[in-house]
Amino acid sequence: IVLTQSPGTLSLSPGERATLSCRASQSVDSRYLAWYQQKPGQAPRLLIHAASSRATGIPDRFSGSGSGTDFTLTISRLEPEDFAVYYCQQYDGSQVTFGGGAKVEIK
Amino acid sequence: EVQLVESGGDLVQPGGSLRLSCVASGFSFSTYAMSWVRQAPGRGLEWVSDISGSGLTTYYTDSVKGRFTISRDNPKNTLYLQTNSLRAEDTAVYYCAKTPYSNRAASFDVWGRGTVVTVSS
Repeated sequence: IVLTQSPGTLSLSPGERATLSCRASQSVDSRYLAWYQQKPGQAPRLLIHAASSRATGIPDRFSGSGSGTDFTLTISRLEPEDFAVYYCQQYDGSQVTFGGGAKVEIK
Repeated sequence: EVQLVESGGDLVQPGGSLRLSCVASGFSFSTYAMSWVRQAPGRGLEWVSDISGSGLTTYYTDSVKGRFTISRDNPKNTLYLQTNSLRAEDTAVYYCAKTPYSNRAASFDVWGRGTVVTVSS
């Protein structure tokens, strides 16, 4: 399953809302759709699992939604530490694939 | 504290081999499937392989099948990745990652800092 993230880069200001899209080439079981954040020089961090469940310690300004082939990560009000690259990821019973990433940069 | 610490990355010539290690602490290692995920310079994340908590089942991405072998030593809380016949396109940061599942790596809730593998002559 190929995951396509859009937009590739999102230029926003602190306090604004960020909406990131992840579209799958085939239907994905929502139980196995996750989102990660990665900052330069750091390992990825799990934000959302099962499409909409926040991981431990993740602020509630992060939310996930969607089903089937269309999934969304929303950051309600961007904090300075939220400017990073975000990846969606799926598991289809045999293979794990990641989207190409979406960068949220400061405008 | 849950922690994963990788080691073993190095500069190696094409065709060479490396064994990567990942020492886990702070959780019941044998309970969970574990994975290797890599990231080539300036690129996105790519799942490489995973192994069940028991070590009995293993899975690989197509590009490394027959060249890489994942294994684990549960009493030593250590995950391994034996990489053989290395190619330039294997150059990447290799991350060890824990999954919240016992059999397959459906998502990754804990990550190490990574170890760098560079394949070049």
